[in-house]
Amino acid sequence: GQQVMQIPQYQHVQEGEDFTTYCNSSTTLSNIQWYKQRPGGHPVFLIQLVKSGEVKKQKRLTFQFGEAKKNSSLHITATQTTDVGTYFCAGPTGNQFYFGTGTSLTVIP
Amino acid sequence: IAGITQAPTSQILAAGRRMTLRCTQDMRHNAMYWYRQDLGLGLRLIHYSNTAGTTGKGEVPDGYSVSRANTDDFPLTLASAVPSQTSVYFCASSSGASGWNEQFFGPGTRLTVL
Repeated sequence: GQQVMQIPQYQHVQEGEDFTTYCNSSTTLSNIQWYKQRPGGHPVFLIQLVKSGEVKKQKRLTFQFGEAKKNSSLHITATQTTDVGTYFCAGPTGNQFYFGTGTSLTVIP
Repeated sequence: IAGITQAPTSQILAAGRRMTLRCTQDMRHNAMYWYRQDLGLGLRLIHYSNTAGTTGKGEVPDGYSVSRANTDDFPLTLASAVPSQTSVYFCASSSGASGWNEQFFGPGTRLTVL
């Protein structure tokens, strides 16, 4: 069946270090979306990429959609304690919508 | 304040009981969704509705049913709860004809089935 895997599952970084999470789908996605979920909270939409090879930036966050539309990455430059949470990629294929397994980020002050 | 509300916040339920989780949005979004979130598995789509009057099955629909009588409400029913349905349930909505774009999530319902 369809799978959307993310690595790493967990990441601990010192404040100021960079962080990257990778997302890989077993099938082509129509678009890729990224969500952030703070501990005890609900997912919050960050961004959507649609085009093959697309790169978008939001301040310290850089998002990339792979050429084959099956993988994506989120890179955070100079992490801050406010970046703590779990980051999920997600996307549609056919009439289904799949979330990745998530990467939990801990930032050590 | 516009958004999505879910009720109850949490519930402990005996196996075999019937339970309806409520979800209401006031953003006039066409599409609504139900997900369950289990540790290590991310969020999995249970059912969705692209517009009032229509519903579709997600990745894990067995044991759940939904209805979409109007734009605002999208209840999720467990006809006969089982312990494997213990999870956190999130309702979400999105605008647009296709539905598969930015989703707004409710606060979630934590359900425990004993």
